[in-house]
Amino acid sequence: EAQVTQNPRYLITVTGKKLTVTCSQNMNHEYMSWYRQDPGLGLRQIYYSMNVEVTDKGDVPEGYKVSRKEKRNFPLILESPSPNQTSLYFCASSHVAGGIGELFFGEGSRLTVL
Amino acid sequence: KQEVTQIPAALSVPEGENLVLNCSFTDSAIYNLQWFRQDPGKGLTSLLLIQSSQREQTSGRLNASLDKSSGRSTLYIAASQPGDSATYLCAVFRSGTYKYIFGTGTRLKVLA
Repeated sequence: EAQVTQNPRYLITVTGKKLTVTCSQNMNHEYMSWYRQDPGLGLRQIYYSMNVEVTDKGDVPEGYKVSRKEKRNFPLILESPSPNQTSLYFCASSHVAGGIGELFFGEGSRLTVL
Repeated sequence: KQEVTQIPAALSVPEGENLVLNCSFTDSAIYNLQWFRQDPGKGLTSLLLIQSSQREQTSGRLNASLDKSSGRSTLYIAASQPGDSATYLCAVFRSGTYKYIFGTGTRLKVLA
């Protein structure tokens, strides 16, 4: 089954404690991206990757890091989480053919930073 | 800067009604536009993808249209059902970039 898998789905942590949210896709997609969803602000892109070792900032990259060492994985790293990073996070992937095609989303990871 | 707006923010209709959801965008230089459905606590599911060269796409009871020149897209849902209750989001992929810009969604409730 084609899918994008995120872990963990729910996480409560404290300010400053490093954490990683993993994302894996099994569709051999070139493009992967992270979004955060906040009430009233919609989905905002954090980082994206066009292929292995190719990453770039989205609209709200501050406080986040990513890496793309393998095509299927695109982890999101919060080196020193702060309460304003409490949000619902989504990973998405897509095939690239001239441009970005249909986006496939993971189920989301709800993060609370105390 | 591309901005995507969805009006209304929320909508309640009785079962069986045909309805139209609206999406407008400020920059017509788009590569494609997608409509998504999001159920509470869940991820987004792609419903329809319209390339910039297309005028509409259909899937079952759903029909999406695209008018690039006016910066508008509509999602038409025929014979609505309670199972259609969800938040519907549109997103545009701007030419020359590698990102989708999302609207804030229309929360639809279909009453039995």
